[in-house]
Amino acid sequence: NAGVTQTPKFQVLKTGQSMTLQCAQDMNHNSMYWYRQDPGMGLRLIYYSASEGTTDKGEVPNGYNVSRLNKREFSLRLESAAPSQTSVYFCASSRDPTDTQYFGPGTRLTVL
Amino acid sequence: DQQVKQNSPSLSVQEGRISILNCDYTNSMFDYFLWYKKYPAEGPTFLISISSIKDKNEDGRFTVFLNKSAKHLSLHIVPSQPGDSAVYFCAASVTGSARQLTFGSGTQLTVLP
Repeated sequence: NAGVTQTPKFQVLKTGQSMTLQCAQDMNHNSMYWYRQDPGMGLRLIYYSASEGTTDKGEVPNGYNVSRLNKREFSLRLESAAPSQTSVYFCASSRDPTDTQYFGPGTRLTVL
Repeated sequence: DQQVKQNSPSLSVQEGRISILNCDYTNSMFDYFLWYKKYPAEGPTFLISISSIKDKNEDGRFTVFLNKSAKHLSLHIVPSQPGDSAVYFCAASVTGSARQLTFGSGTQLTVLP
């Protein structure tokens, strides 16, 4: 049982480049989330998907887009990366929007 | 404005002693609180939670206390073990919403052998 998986683990981008962070869960969870963690700060919610077919903005959505591809997969896209998006990105899932969230191992992104 | 604050970035404790991690919040709408533990290069792992209808919740060596009037919660680990060395995040949410968690900045706990 892999839980929540994220790819890639590490990525270096140049300013202006685009990329998609992938997340998949095998727990048959309905809800999925994307967070970012910056040094000295807690995790901040970027976007979430309460159920398949729905997505909503979190606390810090600017510069990001998401796609809930199916029940298992939730991707995060940076269309034009900026140095301010250098961070560690965590994906999470939960059985439903009010249940405990389980996190993936994270993607460390550096934008030069 | 940080709605969930962990004012101690780090804490060192001797093995076998009690570890007390603290968390304060400002949003009186928060009614559900969680603690997550995070090891380096891993994602946060859920540890324990408490609803605002309770003032204490225990799970083995871990106990969370909630003081609603002071808007303060704490995590007690007794006895502390070297494997408990990790970053601990406090998080809060409002029941009824899609459980959007607001996290504190974390406390690095080091348990010394």
